[in-house]
Amino acid sequence: GDSVTQMEGPVTLSEEAFLTINCTYTATGYPSLFWYVQYPGEGLQLLLKATKADDKGSNKGFEATYRKETTSFHLEKGSVQVSDSAVYFCALSYGGATNKLIFGTGTLLAVQP
Amino acid sequence: GAGVSQTPSNKVTEKGKYVELRCDPISGHTALYWYRQSLGQGPEFLIYFQGTGAADDSGLPNDRFFAVRPEGSVSTLKIQRTERGDSAVYLCASSLGQGAWETQYFGPGTRLLVL
Repeated sequence: GDSVTQMEGPVTLSEEAFLTINCTYTATGYPSLFWYVQYPGEGLQLLLKATKADDKGSNKGFEATYRKETTSFHLEKGSVQVSDSAVYFCALSYGGATNKLIFGTGTLLAVQP
Repeated sequence: GAGVSQTPSNKVTEKGKYVELRCDPISGHTALYWYRQSLGQGPEFLIYFQGTGAADDSGLPNDRFFAVRPEGSVSTLKIQRTERGDSAVYLCASSLGQGAWETQYFGPGTRLLVL
């Protein structure tokens, strides 16, 4: 079945460091891909998304490119801030009759000043 | 405008009891979803409503779990004969439509603890 695999955390970085959180997926079709973020004490919110191969999603300095050939959607940011500390979830969805999101297990990012 | 709201925010119950969890989606959103998130895990899909009908209930773990959305807005997740393994955060989300590109907006969750 369809699934999402994320790198295990926690990921601990110093402020202004480069961030990569790996995400790979297994899919029977051509899903849309998402990164959701959960800040401490807050609910899940969409960070970025890409709906087809080679699309790049971006928001708040974060980027991820939908790579069909490697079935990946890695999250990157050039310079992290303390305020980026959160749990990041990679997810996929097909929409339509089966409109559910399938999530990875999440990656905790801790950014130290 | 208001986001997705869920009540109660916390619920403690005893094994074997019945509980109801409520979700108020964003006004005008036709699609509504329930997920369950255990500690250290990603959310797991339970059920998806398009309007009043359950379009996909394949994630409900067993027949103790049931959800309704009678008027196409508010939804209630019902759990009968609760078990300790039902303890988790129950998340509700809504989206404007049902396309794969649609953003799902999540509520803050109901933390259920079964003693």
